[in-house]
Amino acid sequence: GENVEQHPSTLSVQEGDSAVIKCTYSDSASNYFPWYKQELGKRPQLIIDIRSNVGEKKDQRIAVTLNKTAKHFSLHITETQPEDSAVYFCAARGGNNDMRFGAGTRLTVKP
Amino acid sequence: NAGVTQTPKFQVLKTGQSMTLQCAQDMNHNSMYWYRQDPGMGLRLIYYSASEGTTDKGEVPNGYNVSRLNKREFSLRLESAAPSQTSVYFCASSELPANQYFGPGTRLLVL
Repeated sequence: GENVEQHPSTLSVQEGDSAVIKCTYSDSASNYFPWYKQELGKRPQLIIDIRSNVGEKKDQRIAVTLNKTAKHFSLHITETQPEDSAVYFCAARGGNNDMRFGAGTRLTVKP
Repeated sequence: NAGVTQTPKFQVLKTGQSMTLQCAQDMNHNSMYWYRQDPGMGLRLIYYSASEGTTDKGEVPNGYNVSRLNKREFSLRLESAAPSQTSVYFCASSELPANQYFGPGTRLLVL
C-alpha cells in the first residue's frame, strides 16, 4: 500500500511570512493528493487538492506543487495569519483506492 | 443535506466489551472509509470500501471488522475492545478520485 511521509512535524512562523510543508509518497500509481486542515477537536477539512496530471494549483494564499518523478508534493501558504494556525495533513490516494495520510504538521503563526 | 454522520459521539467501554460505530452519508458517494486518530498523530486507515459490496483492509485492521450495509452506511465493529483502541474514530466518504468528506468523529475510551 501507499506510504506518506510529512515534514516538518512542527512549524512556527511570524504573521505575514510564508510556510512550506513537504510530503513524499511511495506508490507510483497514486493519482490524487489532497491537503487537510484540522483545528483542535474538529474534523479534517479539505483546503486544496491536486491530481497527478497537474504540476501546480493555487487558491488565493494557498498553493500546492507536485513532482511526480520525485514523488513529492508541497503545500505553500503565503502571507500567513494567526487563523492559519492548525494541524495540516497531506494525503495520497494509492492505486488500490486507499487514502493514506501523513503524520501532520502543527503550524503556529505568531502575531 | 447532513453530509457524513456518525453515532455515537462519545463512548466508554470496558476491556472485552464489544460495540459498533455507525456511519452514514447522504451524498451518494461510492467509497467510504474508517480512520483512527490517536492524540497528536495523523489519521490511520482501518478499513475502506471502494464501492458497495467490497471492503478492504487498511494500515491497522487488527481488532476491527466492517460491514458495508448499503451504499449509504458503513459500520465499524470492535468485537473485544482493548485499551489500545482508545482513539477518535473518523468515517469519511468520497467519489473517486476526489475529496473525502469526514464525519464529526466518535471519541472512544476503553478502560
